[in-house]
Amino acid sequence: AQTVTQSQPEMSVQEAETVTLSCTYDTSENNYYLFWYKQPPSRQMILVIRQEAYKQQNATENRFSVNFQKAAKSFSLKISDSQLGDTAMYFCAFMNHHTNTGNQFYFGTGTSLTVIP
Amino acid sequence: NAGVTQTPKFQVLKTGQSMTLQCAQDMNHEYMSWYRQDPGMGLRLIHYSVGAGITDQGEVPNGYNVSRSTTEDFPLRLLSAAPSQTSVYFCASSYGPAAAYEQYFGPGTRLTVT
Repeated sequence: AQTVTQSQPEMSVQEAETVTLSCTYDTSENNYYLFWYKQPPSRQMILVIRQEAYKQQNATENRFSVNFQKAAKSFSLKISDSQLGDTAMYFCAFMNHHTNTGNQFYFGTGTSLTVIP
Repeated sequence: NAGVTQTPKFQVLKTGQSMTLQCAQDMNHEYMSWYRQDPGMGLRLIHYSVGAGITDQGEVPNGYNVSRSTTEDFPLRLLSAAPSQTSVYFCASSYGPAAAYEQYFGPGTRLTVT
């Protein structure tokens, strides 16, 4: 079974600073996908970044980047130049490559990030 | 485009009542899914559909039914509500499997069963 662990329930960062959110996972699969989702107080789930396990290059999306270490089963999210709008719950998620499992995510318990003005 | 819409936004049910949560999307997406989110947890898959007329179970399907008669609509039915079904429910859609295509989420329905 797949498990996803986020060991930081809460974090805070000063506006314009950089913060890193940790995520580790456990799987016996070789091909899979990893995601970071953001859930602001509005409850809307928003995809932040996505990484395919067979790609060695770390994914980046503007101020968001990941440090993907497949051997260590680690997938951390770095937010640069933090903005007040980054305040949200952040979920790390895993999905198998096999499409016959449908859209089955395995989520971590989340990290609540607060950006301080 | 309205994206993914869900109704109602809030609902209170008594134990044993039934109801249908509505979900619609106007993006012509083939894949649609229902998830529930309990406090302090991420999303868990209830049911999903890979196209009109095709549905399948996810991780936590018990107590829920779905149907997909059109591409646009994917209602979730609670047959006999139980307090354990108190949760926030999200509908999502995508062009294809969520692993390869971004999922678009609705705003959620907060359901309380007393």
